Amino acid sequence: GQQLNQSPQSMFIQEGEDVSMNCTSSSIFNTWLWYKQDPGEGPVLLIALYKAGELTSNGRLTAQFGITRKDSFLNISASIPSDVGIYFCAGQLGGGSNYKLTFGKGTLLTVNP
Amino acid sequence: EAGVAQSPRYKIIEKRQSVAFWCNPISGHATLYWYQQILGQGPKLLIQFQNNGVVDDSQLPKDRFSAERLKGVDSTLKIQPAKLEDSAVYLCASSLDRMGIQYFGAGTRLSVL
Repeated sequence: GQQLNQSPQSMFIQEGEDVSMNCTSSSIFNTWLWYKQDPGEGPVLLIALYKAGELTSNGRLTAQFGITRKDSFLNISASIPSDVGIYFCAGQLGGGSNYKLTFGKGTLLTVNP
Repeated sequence: EAGVAQSPRYKIIEKRQSVAFWCNPISGHATLYWYQQILGQGPKLLIQFQNNGVVDDSQLPKDRFSAERLKGVDSTLKIQPAKLEDSAVYLCASSLDRMGIQYFGAGTRLSVL
């Protein structure tokens, strides 16, 4: 089946620093999604990308859909303590009945105030 | 708008016992998903419903797991009998339709002793 490689596994940064994480796949996706999960909660959608090459921002977050459709990255600028959590990428192939999401293993972000 | 509701939030059982989880999706969402999230991993789809019909249950261990969505709204996921490796967070998600953005509940954390 499809697998997503998400890196890094964890990051420990100082407040105010910028952060970058990425996801790669051995197969193509038609949609890339980035979710954040806080402890004891379900994942919450941050950004959705629908076209190869698309660059989308949501406040301090910026994400891009790779040209090859096999990768995506998420950047967080000027990190703050509430950015702490686990960030997941997810790919969706689409078409027919195959709209299920395939998730990466997550990037654990810790922000030191 | 109310989110996806799940109960219970936590459950501790002994192996070989049975357990059931309940999910109430966002009002009007036709598609409902159950995911299993093992510690340190991303969510993995177990089963997907479109209204009260199953769209994808290819990764559901059918010898012990079952799920239903009889009236096309609420859903229950059952494990019988539970094994140690079933310890995980069980997340329910819903979307407007099969192509729509998935919104997640807070999950049920299951510990099998």
